[in-house]
Amino acid sequence: ETGVTQSPTHLIKTRGQQVTLRCSSQSGHNTVSWYQQALGQGPQFIFQYYREEENGRGNFPPRFSGLQFPNYSSELNVNALELDDSALYLCASSLDGRAETQYFGPGTRLLVL
Amino acid sequence: GESVGLHLPTLSVQEGDNSIINCAYSNSASDYFIWYKQESGKGPQFIIDIRSNMDKRQGQRVTVLLNKTVKHLSLQIAATQPGDSAVYFCAETPSGANSKLTFGKGITLSVRP
Repeated sequence: ETGVTQSPTHLIKTRGQQVTLRCSSQSGHNTVSWYQQALGQGPQFIFQYYREEENGRGNFPPRFSGLQFPNYSSELNVNALELDDSALYLCASSLDGRAETQYFGPGTRLLVL
Repeated sequence: GESVGLHLPTLSVQEGDNSIINCAYSNSASDYFIWYKQESGKGPQFIIDIRSNMDKRQGQRVTVLLNKTVKHLSLQIAATQPGDSAVYFCAETPSGANSKLTFGKGITLSVRP
């Protein structure tokens, strides 16, 4: 098991609602990346936070936003939920954004009805 | 053992046989590659990585081969065990210092007892 934890494990929302997902990074890691994994697909990079600043963003609309806190934990916020937002949301933490140090959390399964 | 491209969803092998999982990547600028294993209900777990200045790297029961000329990556698992049953993804990034990964679609490995 990695030291990356995510909450909640599952949740159900309806279209148009807003959701906040949380991630605690592994001890000593200062970078958090968020990924969306649709069913049967590989994870897709949403964005990355390094020392509380956004450090790169994938092809996702502005209604996907995030925060990183001084303890390096992070939140992913999604506004105006759409059915296609149903997916597993993965958080990964790393040291200084280095891929070889990156560990993934177990994910949050979001279902939008 | 059997080999299959990532465009096919499932690879079924007999316990004890060798497995070969192939991946074609498209970004010629990618310089660092990782294979991940994802079990049901869990996040991706690092298996093995390779940098572009190498063509082969071995771990415990796993070997990754990289052919940059044809942009092809493979994962070989020796003496496949039931615990190897999972979905396998290849991922690429411009460097080991960059944890913003691009993942392939994934393949399910099913081990027959």
